[in-house]
Amino acid sequence: AQSVAQPEDQVNVAEGNPLTVKCTYSVSGNPYLFWYVQYPNRGLQFLLKYITGDNLVKGSYGFEAEFNKSQTSFHLKKPSALVSDSALYFCAVRDWGNTDKLIFGTGTRLQVFP
Amino acid sequence: DSGVTQTPKHLITATGQRVTLRCSPRSGDLSVYWYQQSLDQGLQFLIQYYNGEERAKGNILERFSAQQFPDLHSELNLSSLELGDSALYFCASSPEVAGSYEQYFGPGTRLTVT
Repeated sequence: AQSVAQPEDQVNVAEGNPLTVKCTYSVSGNPYLFWYVQYPNRGLQFLLKYITGDNLVKGSYGFEAEFNKSQTSFHLKKPSALVSDSALYFCAVRDWGNTDKLIFGTGTRLQVFP
Repeated sequence: DSGVTQTPKHLITATGQRVTLRCSPRSGDLSVYWYQQSLDQGLQFLIQYYNGEERAKGNILERFSAQQFPDLHSELNLSSLELGDSALYFCASSPEVAGSYEQYFGPGTRLTVT
């Protein structure tokens, strides 16, 4: 069965510093991986995806993610954090089989301090 | 704005009652997904429809049902409501074309059962 794990409940970073939000995956077959962000009282916003191709994927708002097959990881990164990046971040993997659902991690709260 | 709309934004009702949540997918998207987000269960897939037909079911209770209409909007019906049904309910749509498997989420309906 497909799954993703987000080992950190919260990540704290100072504004202007680089940030990393971690995600590891377990899949049978090719991993289709996604990152979403959720701001308070808002829906999930799609940030980026890895389907195939380059291991470094660029997405919205200056975010990027690095796919690492040997480490089964898909960490979200940003070179310089903004206070406005503070939100809840979810990693997800597409299910294979009878459904195309997304399987989400438990989420990581990112707090960027001024 | 993802292009997915959901109504109502908030719903407060009593135990034992029935409610209907409505979702309009992005223009052209044939797939609609329903997810439930709660503090203890996280983001859980409920059900998927594709072009009017049920495609897959997740951990959806028998008290819950959904349908997708010819104009592709979808409704999630929750009946005999219990306190534990209080959650944020998201609808998502997807183009489901090769290489484009991301799902776009609506703002959600916050259901409070008292």
